Amino acid sequence: GESVGLHLPTLSVQEGDNSIINCAYSNSASDYFIWYKQESGKGPQFIIDIRSNMDKRQGQRVTVLLNKTVKHLSLQIAATQPGDSAVYFCAEKLGYSTLTFGKGTMLLVSP
Amino acid sequence: DAGITQSPRHKVTETGTPVTLRCHQTENHRYMYWYRQDPGHGLRLIHYSYGVKDTDKGEVSDGYSVSRSKTEDFLLTLESATSSQTSVYFCAISDRQGQGETQYFGPGTRLLVL
Repeated sequence: GESVGLHLPTLSVQEGDNSIINCAYSNSASDYFIWYKQESGKGPQFIIDIRSNMDKRQGQRVTVLLNKTVKHLSLQIAATQPGDSAVYFCAEKLGYSTLTFGKGTMLLVSP
Repeated sequence: DAGITQSPRHKVTETGTPVTLRCHQTENHRYMYWYRQDPGHGLRLIHYSYGVKDTDKGEVSDGYSVSRSKTEDFLLTLESATSSQTSVYFCAISDRQGQGETQYFGPGTRLLVL
């Protein structure tokens, strides 16, 4: 079957570079956001989340930035490694509504 | 992995046949979800469950039904499979709803309807 990675915007970086993946979310009232990583043939894997009362949150080698003014979310990956190659997508949520997922960005890391 | 298994992992079936996919969790999480993933679309919610015997429809529920008779199992049934239901199906679980709800996903089931 066709890979979910086709038709997606692609970011190509060199190993060791920092990567920035962007997401425009749809609902200005959304109060919770998640970034997922999906490797080929696998299920989405939780990376990091952020609540709307925060602008920035850091994890291990990853940072999420939230700009509510322009409804923009970004995921920064420091010192990108070949193992980071995957599709990354954001999800947003408002209150008790269900999660809404973006279509994703494919990250390709060259050695 | 968050203790979620899906079975079967791959299935080929014919149009008009019923198909049941199983999601099993060992986390004792209250909430369970079925999504489908297709090229050009984000994950789309089919049905979800907020407890044993408590289910609700998602965005793309037509042609699908679900059942949850035990906390650990959530079944998705395609009543009469169509080619448009060829997709990759993911189960997800969470222990809460609202802010802070993080959903953890299973490995997926790849379904081909001929």
